[in-house]
Amino acid sequence: DGGITQSPKYLFRKEGQNVTLSCEQNLNHDAMYWYRQDPGQGLRLIYYSQIVNDFQKGDIAEGYSVSREKKESFPLTVTSAQKNPTAFYLCASSIDPEQNIQYFGAGTRLSVL
Amino acid sequence: QKEVEQNSGPLSVPEGAIASLNCTYSDRGSQSFFWYRQYSGKSPELIMFIYSNGDKEDGRFTAQLNKASQYVSLLIRDSQPSDSATYLCAVTRRAAGNKLTFGGGTRVLVKP
Repeated sequence: DGGITQSPKYLFRKEGQNVTLSCEQNLNHDAMYWYRQDPGQGLRLIYYSQIVNDFQKGDIAEGYSVSREKKESFPLTVTSAQKNPTAFYLCASSIDPEQNIQYFGAGTRLSVL
Repeated sequence: QKEVEQNSGPLSVPEGAIASLNCTYSDRGSQSFFWYRQYSGKSPELIMFIYSNGDKEDGRFTAQLNKASQYVSLLIRDSQPSDSATYLCAVTRRAAGNKLTFGGGTRVLVKP
């Protein structure tokens, strides 16, 4: 089955801890994206990558980091510098950054202990 | 002014009626327009996309785009209780590197 897999489904972060959210896709899509969604709000772009070994900051990149070493994978690290990390994190991919028809994974819900 | 605006709702619709959702955007350079459905606690699911002025129909859904007035709408015909969800409007702007900008969503409640 083709799709976008995010793990874990739920994640808890302790004070001062870095945590990494996984996003894997087997759709052979070139572009991948990370969004954050807070309750009752729309999605905000954190980082995106249009090709391997290249990525750009989105609108709210502070306190986050990413890598794109493989086409299939785009992990997101929430660092201790992100003071309000509790949110629903969504990974998306699109076959063509120009048309930008994005499909989403199931999401990871991050909470602070 | 927000780049993409939607009425947060809830929009209450009787079963079998037409639900009409609106979305306005601020950037005249916007190129592509998308509607996503998001059930509570789940991720967004693409319903439709539209690029040109006019109507685009897919099953019970119709997207309408009017670039001159800078709005895009979604009609849901024969609304079902399973259509109860939040509907997100999203817009890409070439000047912003084709990034997708989302509205806050409209919550729809279909009552049996």
